[in-house]
Amino acid sequence: GENVEQHPSTLSVQEGDSAVIKCTYSDSASNYFPWYKQELGKGPQLIIDIRSNVGEKKDQRIAVTLNKTAKHFSLHITETQPEDSAVYFCAVLSAGRRALTFGSGTRLQVQP
Amino acid sequence: KAGVTQTPRYLIKTRGQQVTLSCSPISGHRSVSWYQQTPGQGLQFLFEYFSETQRNKGNFPGRFSGRQFSNSRSEMNVSTLELGDSALYLCASSLGDTANTGELFFGEGSRLTVL
Repeated sequence: GENVEQHPSTLSVQEGDSAVIKCTYSDSASNYFPWYKQELGKGPQLIIDIRSNVGEKKDQRIAVTLNKTAKHFSLHITETQPEDSAVYFCAVLSAGRRALTFGSGTRLQVQP
Repeated sequence: KAGVTQTPRYLIKTRGQQVTLSCSPISGHRSVSWYQQTPGQGLQFLFEYFSETQRNKGNFPGRFSGRQFSNSRSEMNVSTLELGDSALYLCASSLGDTANTGELFFGEGSRLTVL
């Protein structure tokens, strides 16, 4: 089955700095790569996603890049703010499966 | 537009009991997926329902079951509860089935504690 590895598990940055979280996957048939943000006591919230026919997607301060050859994709957050502090999960949808496989999560702490 | 609604938000059960959790998807969404979230195992897929049919099932024992009604609302049931079933159970809805769209919108979860 699909295997998704996410790094780092924790990340602490100063307000205004950039944060990068990386995920690797195993199934080359994977075709959909979303990122979720989960705040304390809440469910995961979809913040950005990318499909396999696109290399990069940006939405204001967040961006996702996909390298299908190397089978990895990354979340980039620029000009971080304290409200960005949360746990971020990557996920992968493989063509053969019918469910998302999630990474183990990254706890991002933005220090004011 | 209302989001995904899960009830109850918190519940405490004892070993051997059973529990039923409810999920109302976003209006117009026809797919409901269930995930279990624990600190040790992370987010694990339980099952997905689309138009009242179970489309996919994860690697969980038969004690975990679910169903979907004609109005797309879904319930999941866990029988003969074990301590290891303590978790946050998340419901997610999607306009189409996950295999085609992938976009999931999660509720805030039902936190189950088994004593």
